[in-house]
Amino acid sequence: NAGVTQTPKFRVLKTGQSMTLLCAQDMNHEYMYWYRQDPGMGLRLIHYSVGEGTTAKGEVPDGYNVSRLKKQNFLLGLESAAPSQTSVYFCASTIPPGDMNTEAFFGQGTRLTVV
Amino acid sequence: SQQGEEDPQALSIQEGENATMNCSYKTSINNLQWYRQNSGRGLVHLILIRSNEREKHSGRLRVTLDTSKKSSSLLITASRAADTASYFCATEETSGSRLTFGEGTQLTVNP
Repeated sequence: NAGVTQTPKFRVLKTGQSMTLLCAQDMNHEYMYWYRQDPGMGLRLIHYSVGEGTTAKGEVPDGYNVSRLKKQNFLLGLESAAPSQTSVYFCASTIPPGDMNTEAFFGQGTRLTVV
Repeated sequence: SQQGEEDPQALSIQEGENATMNCSYKTSINNLQWYRQNSGRGLVHLILIRSNEREKHSGRLRVTLDTSKKSSSLLITASRAADTASYFCATEETSGSRLTFGEGTQLTVNP
């Protein structure tokens, strides 16, 4: 069981370039999340999705877009990368809130550097 | 702003000692969860406590929850060097679907 898989694991972008981060989960989870983690800090929620075809903004959505065309995939896009988006990005998935065990399963992270 | 705030930010202890970390939050929650993160890795779920529970145990972990004070604590007993990691609390809010994390406590266990 792969769990949550993020690609790529590392990337260096030039300012203004675009890219898409892919998150795939094989646990049939309804909910998926994208977080960013900056040095010495916790995770800040960028966008999340409560099901296929739905997305919602988190705490820090500016400069990012997301899509959830398939239940198992959640894509995070940067249309015009900025140095402030240098961070480690984590994807997570859970079953819906209110169910018995809503623990989040995380990917291993994508380390993005924007120069 | 972060829903959960951990205290202390950093904790350094000797192997065999107990480690206690605290988390405070602001809104009504369905549950509160604790996660561990080894350096450069993803987060791993440790334990979940529901809003109607006051204490929960799992191995060397003990979690308490005080909803009247909007606070939780994580106790790791008989710590080991391998427990060295960052520990985060996360709250599942009743108002929405979001899982919101605090800024974490960096625990160092010295052999």
